Amino acid sequence: EAQVTQNPRYLITVTGKKLTVTCSQNMNHEYMSWYRQDPGLGLRQIYYSMNVEVTDKGDVPEGYKVSRKEKRNFPLILESPSPNQTSLYFCASSSWVGELFFGEGSRLTVL
Amino acid sequence: ILNVEQSPQSLHVQEGDSTNFTCSFPSSNFYALHWYRWETAKSPEALFVMTLNGDEKKKGRISATLNTKEGYSYLYIKGSQPEDSATYLCAFLDTGRRALTFGSGTRLQVQP
Repeated sequence: EAQVTQNPRYLITVTGKKLTVTCSQNMNHEYMSWYRQDPGLGLRQIYYSMNVEVTDKGDVPEGYKVSRKEKRNFPLILESPSPNQTSLYFCASSSWVGELFFGEGSRLTVL
Repeated sequence: ILNVEQSPQSLHVQEGDSTNFTCSFPSSNFYALHWYRWETAKSPEALFVMTLNGDEKKKGRISATLNTKEGYSYLYIKGSQPEDSATYLCAFLDTGRRALTFGSGTRLQVQP
C-alpha cells in the first residue's frame, strides 16, 4: 500500500529538548516536504527536497532542520524547540509536479 | 511569499445545494494548480492537478476549471452531500520556486 508514514503522531515536550519527527514514503517519490498547520493560517511549508541531498527552505524554516540522505526518508529536526513551534505537522511526497501524498500528521506540543 | 487566496473562508449549505469556491493565484510563472480535500482529523487528499489554461477536471460530483491568464480556479460541487463537508485547499506551483504554496482553504459544511 502506497503511504507516507510519520512518527511520532503525538508528542509533548519541553522547551529546548531536541526532537526529530521521522517521515518515510514507499512510492519512490523524488519530492518530499514538510508543512505546519496552525489555526487560521492554513498549510505553510517549512522545508522541501527535490531529491537526495537536495533540500531548500520553504516559507517558515526558522527553528527547523532537515536532511535527505535516502530517497525514502525526510526527517524534520527541531534542535531547540520553543512553544511557538507547537503545531500540527504534515510530511508529504510526490513525483515531480504530481499530486502530494500526505502523512497522517504529527501533533507537537512544546511546553 | 506568493499570494494564494481562497474565498469564501467558510460556507454552510443544505444537502442537495450546488456550490462553488474560488482560488486566486499569481497569473505569471504558472506551472500547476492543485486542489485538495481535507476532512477533519484526516490528511489532505488530492482532488485535481491542473496544468493547462482552460483545463476542466471532473471527479464524480466535483469539478474544477482553470484560468491561468487571469489567475483563478473554480471548484464546483453539484448536489452537495453531508460527506462533502471538509476544507478544500488549493495550492499553486510556479516555475521558479518549485514548491507548492497553499491557500488557507474554504471550509464547507453541508447540513442534512
